[in-house]
Amino acid sequence: DGGITQSPKYLFRKEGQNVTLSCEQNLNHDAMYWYRQDPGQGLRLIYYSQIVNDFQKGDIAEGYSVSREKKESFPLTVTSAQKNPTAFYLCASKKDSGANVLTFGAGSRLTVL
Amino acid sequence: RKEVEQDPGPFNVPEGATVAFNCTYSNSASQSFFWYRQDCRKEPKLLMSVYSSGNEDGRFTAQLNRASQYISLLIRDSKLSDSATYLCGINAGNNRKLIWGLGTSLAVNP
Repeated sequence: DGGITQSPKYLFRKEGQNVTLSCEQNLNHDAMYWYRQDPGQGLRLIYYSQIVNDFQKGDIAEGYSVSREKKESFPLTVTSAQKNPTAFYLCASKKDSGANVLTFGAGSRLTVL
Repeated sequence: RKEVEQDPGPFNVPEGATVAFNCTYSNSASQSFFWYRQDCRKEPKLLMSVYSSGNEDGRFTAQLNRASQYISLLIRDSKLSDSATYLCGINAGNNRKLIWGLGTSLAVNP
């Protein structure tokens, strides 16, 4: 079945460490997105990519980095510069034409100790 | 004014009740509208796209009011399994990004 796979599902890291969250999709979607979700804050866009080798900052990009070397993959690195990294991270994708329906991965829950 | 606003609730309703949520938006150029359902500690999943003419899927009805700039979601004959947070997502034109509401929490009680 086609879908979006995020890993790991749960991740614990010490303060000051960089961590990379994986996002892979086999839906042949063009665009991919990373969101962060905190209680009471809703979905906030970190980065998005509409095409391979290109990506744009979202609303809260500081302290994060991404790459889009393959259409299927859009990993997110949470760097030590991110002040409050503990959150639920959601990756999503969609076809770039037609309806703007986003499909989400199951999420990665990062806890910084 | 926020770009997209929802009443966070919680809405507590008994089984079998009818409940409605609204989601207001500020950008009159908005073109695409969606309702997503999110269960606790899970990812959002598409519930319905919202079309200009309104659309229905079983117990769920979505409507768009462009004049007043809001979308609505009506749930009839509520089930316990409808308990979740309902997010609205709105795409404003060519920027290709969805703007999200904070979500409305629904609890259906036996």
